[in-house]
Amino acid sequence: DAKTTQPPSMDCAEGRAANLPCNHSTISGNEYVYWYRQIHSQGPQYIIHGLKNNETNEMASLIITEDRKSSTLILPHATLRDTAVYYCIVRARMDSSYKLIFGSGTRLLVRP
Amino acid sequence: GAGVSQSPSNKVTEKGKDVELRCDPISGHTALYWYRQSLGQGLEFLIYFQGNSAPDKSGLPSDRFSAERTGGSVSTLTIQRTQQEDSAVYLCASTALAGGYTFGSGTRLTVV
Repeated sequence: DAKTTQPPSMDCAEGRAANLPCNHSTISGNEYVYWYRQIHSQGPQYIIHGLKNNETNEMASLIITEDRKSSTLILPHATLRDTAVYYCIVRARMDSSYKLIFGSGTRLLVRP
Repeated sequence: GAGVSQSPSNKVTEKGKDVELRCDPISGHTALYWYRQSLGQGLEFLIYFQGNSAPDKSGLPSDRFSAERTGGSVSTLTIQRTQQEDSAVYLCASTALAGGYTFGSGTRLTVV
């Protein structure tokens, strides 16, 4: 299964874009990149996922490099409520299981 | 239902007692996952259900842990003879495999 590497912590100013990087250099061709976040004491919240094309939804944008070895999650206008731990996950596949394997994530602090 | 429902939200039990944790997934979601998160730690995969069968039980930490799913819907995670190291938040997620996983709010288990 591919592993991901994320910085342990980041911060940004409220109203600015937050750009969270993730390296997944051993990703396989059919594996997706998922992003989740976990706000203190809550279950993880799905943000976005993609295979190779850039993706955008109401929460964020996902930029995947052409070689698919890294990606960036972009929160275009960060708010204080975006303070959370952000997980970049490559969807693992073992037999028929599509379990998500969570790493340590990036703790994002949005400053007022 | 509108989301993944877990009960109880909090459970305090005495060491050596058995506990049952319940997960009610989103209607129509065929895949169901159990994770646990110890204080200050990341999410640890426990078991995966596809329908009523569990093709991946690799994360169950010991034979004191078991889980079942009936009717392709509700799942129960049972911990027998609880130990203090079982104290954690137990999270359930479901997916239709076509997109993101939806997590419940978890059950906070405290073994005293």
